[in-house]
Amino acid sequence: EPEVTQTPSHQVTQMGQEVILRCVPISNHLYFYWYRQILGQKVEFLVSFYNNEISEKSEIFDDQFSVERPDGSNFTLKIRSTKLEDSAMYFCASKTTWMTPYGYTFGSGTRLTVV
Amino acid sequence: DAKTTQPNSMESNEEEPVHLPCNHSTISGTDYIHWYRQLPSQGPEYVIHGLTSNVNNRMASLAIAEDRKSSTLILHRATLRDAAVYYCILNYGGSQGNLIFGKGTKLSVKP
Repeated sequence: EPEVTQTPSHQVTQMGQEVILRCVPISNHLYFYWYRQILGQKVEFLVSFYNNEISEKSEIFDDQFSVERPDGSNFTLKIRSTKLEDSAMYFCASKTTWMTPYGYTFGSGTRLTVV
Repeated sequence: DAKTTQPNSMESNEEEPVHLPCNHSTISGTDYIHWYRQLPSQGPEYVIHGLTSNVNNRMASLAIAEDRKSSTLILHRATLRDAAVYYCILNYGGSQGNLIFGKGTKLSVKP
């Protein structure tokens, strides 16, 4: 079964450093998403991406965050200057079409620890 | 997105059926009912979705009340691997539909 692949599985970074989280969505999917989950809390939407541009973003997705699809396969989330409160699991997801009835496929996540 | 209400936790015995309820009294006509689950240390996983009619797939069944104000996810024979947090989510049918997760129901399965 096709999978969404995320790397690395765990990243530790110092406060103020830039990090890039990488995702390889399913090859024929067109819609891409980032979510995050702070330990013990709900899964929160960050951003959606389609046709090489952001479709929607949440309040969490401020100027410190950016997304990119640099080639035909990767989808990245960059945090420019990490803060302690950015520590969380970050999940990438993709969908084949915008039509709601179709399910999302999530990756296993990257655990980001900011120290 | 309309809100859903789920019990915080439920317990089941292995190999017995499990019925996970969800109330969504403010559902609109174009809202689809989605169920996802999240196993420990994993990303959310799509389980099933429906609009008005009951639905079955290899993972589960979804029973939707006639007035659509509630639904029930049915796991026919729970296994230890089904221990997870189950999320009932409403998603507007006309949007790109980013998912709004609640706290879900934590299902424990006893051997």
